[in-house]
This record gives sequence, structure tokens and C-alpha cells, in this order.
Amino acid sequence: SQWGEENLQALSIQEGEDVTMNCSYKTYTTVVHWYRQDSGRGPALIILIRSNEREKRSGRLRATLDTSSQSSSLSITAAQCEDTAVYFCATEGSSNTNKVVFGTGTRLQVLP
Amino acid sequence: EAAVTQSPRSKVAVTGGKVTLSCHQTNNHDYMYWYRQDTGHGLRLIHYSYVADSTEKGDIPDGYKASRPSQENFSLILELASLSQTAVYFCASRPGGLWTLYFGAGTRLSVL
Repeated sequence: SQWGEENLQALSIQEGEDVTMNCSYKTYTTVVHWYRQDSGRGPALIILIRSNEREKRSGRLRATLDTSSQSSSLSITAAQCEDTAVYFCATEGSSNTNKVVFGTGTRLQVLP
Repeated sequence: EAAVTQSPRSKVAVTGGKVTLSCHQTNNHDYMYWYRQDTGHGLRLIHYSYVADSTEKGDIPDGYKASRPSQENFSLILELASLSQTAVYFCASRPGGLWTLYFGAGTRLSVL
């Protein structure tokens, strides 16, 4: 099946816990996007990490990128109920193709 | 804040009918994209465009046509709608390659 065709993965954690979501991609990418999608809305970018970066932080969010293993991760520290959403990674092969392809996604539920 | 407007927000179509989904952006972005999202799944790229009067095929173009008559407008056309095309469709734009996508709110299409 195509990347992104599978069912969303599901994670449920308690408020205050840390959580890490992983993304393995199949083809070369120059950048990994991480998006968050709230119910009934379009995705919105939360972190973008480029191939020359190993780690990127934004508030309680931390993204990593390992180009040798073609994988990226998104970590949320001290998760809060408002972090409940679906999280996607997306990749693009090069600036010449302009194609941005999304991964399967993780449905994260943070319980009070 | 980048603005991408999709219309209609929801539509019910009959099998075999023609459906046109519209997307309008006021951000002066060069790139525009159409994705589909099935319930409980990720986003899959249908068509995209990086300049007016030109479109490119994404990963699942069969059964869909795209039209970019101007920089601001990008349409998705289903000439003969089928049951399998029931989904939520998202339009996105961005200023250039290797940069964030800005999504619209989505169009929920039900084909009966």
C-alpha cells in the first residue's frame, strides 16, 4: 500500500506524560514536516526539520531527523489535554519535485 | 496568516455526476495542492501546481482532473463521481519549495 494509506495509529496517555511519535519514510527527503490536525480542521504545521538538522525544538515540541535510517520523531514534553489531535509527518524529495507526501499519522489522546 | 478558502464546505453528489471543488488563496503563493483524506486515514496527494495554467499529477490522480486558471485559484474536478471518491478533500498552498503548507478547512464530499 502507499505510504499514508494505512489506518491511523492510536496513542493514549495521561496528562503530564511525555510522548514520542515516530515516522519512517521510504524515499530521500530534504525536509520533514510535522503537522497537527484538530478534529474537523485542516492540518497545521508545528515543526519543520531540514536534512542538515538533527534536532529542532519549539516550546514543548522536539523533532529529530536521522537521514541514515530515514526516520524522524516528534516528542511532546509534559503533554496537555489540548495536545489531543492527529499528528502527521510529511516528506518531500527535493525542491524540484515539489511533492509533499504525508505519512500514516498518529491519533494522540491526552487524558486528564 | 495565510488564507486558503475552499468551497463548498460540504457536498452531496450522485454517482456519475460531475463535481467541481474550488480553492482560493490570497497569499500570493506559487504552489497549490489537492489532498484527499478518508476517515481514519492520512492525506494522499491527488494533484498539485506550481504555476498558473499548469498542473502535475500526485500519487492518486486517477478519476480526478485539476485546473489552475490563475495563481489564486485551483479546482479539482470529478468528471464521473464514484462512491469510492467519498472523502474529505483539502486544498493547500505554499510560497515555495521546502516550506510549510497552509491548508483550507476541507470539503466533505459524499457520493451516493
